[in-house]
Amino acid sequence: EDQVTQSPEALRLQEGESSSLNCSYTVSGLRGLFWYRQDPGKGPEFLFTLYSAGEEKEKERLKATLTKKESFLHITAPKPEDSATYLCAVQALKGGKLIFGQGTELSVKP
Amino acid sequence: GAGVSQSPRYKVAKRGQDVALRCDPISGHVSLFWYQQALGQGPEFLTYFQNEAQLDKSGLPSDRFFAERPEGSVSTLKIQRTQQEDSAVYLCASSTRTDHGYTFGSGTRLTVV
Repeated sequence: EDQVTQSPEALRLQEGESSSLNCSYTVSGLRGLFWYRQDPGKGPEFLFTLYSAGEEKEKERLKATLTKKESFLHITAPKPEDSATYLCAVQALKGGKLIFGQGTELSVKP
Repeated sequence: GAGVSQSPRYKVAKRGQDVALRCDPISGHVSLFWYQQALGQGPEFLTYFQNEAQLDKSGLPSDRFFAERPEGSVSTLKIQRTQQEDSAVYLCASSTRTDHGYTFGSGTRLTVV
């Protein structure tokens, strides 16, 4: 069964304190791994898609990496505006649906 | 419009009522998805359309849930005889292709009382 597990469930950081979020997955053939950011009361906002092990993508203070079993979202020198829930999802080769993890709620304090 | 639009933003229904939730995808987006998100959880897949064809409805929790996209653009998710466990945020997403990042709407928060 395809599934995604994210850790930790919640993460509290001080402004400028770098850290990483983990996404472990099992899927019957990976088409893509997606990272989204979700603010309270809003829909998920697309961040990255990774397609193969070893791939990395960056956007401002965020960097996503991918191995055959997990993905990391590295946050460098976070700011309070980075506070949100970060969702990881996988898409199998068969079918178009995304399978989401439960998310990591990130809080960055000034 | 510029994004995916969902209406209403909030819906309160009495148990047993029927509800209809609307999704206007980004113009030209072929793929359209419905997800259900419980509080503190990630979105759970409900159903998927490619144009007007419903290609996957394996996530619909019961036969009380029905979705349609008759002209390949606007979609409606209908829930008959609502139950308390149907209370959740219902998210719609659209994409040009299934392997691209989807654009989500802000969702409809359904509360069944």
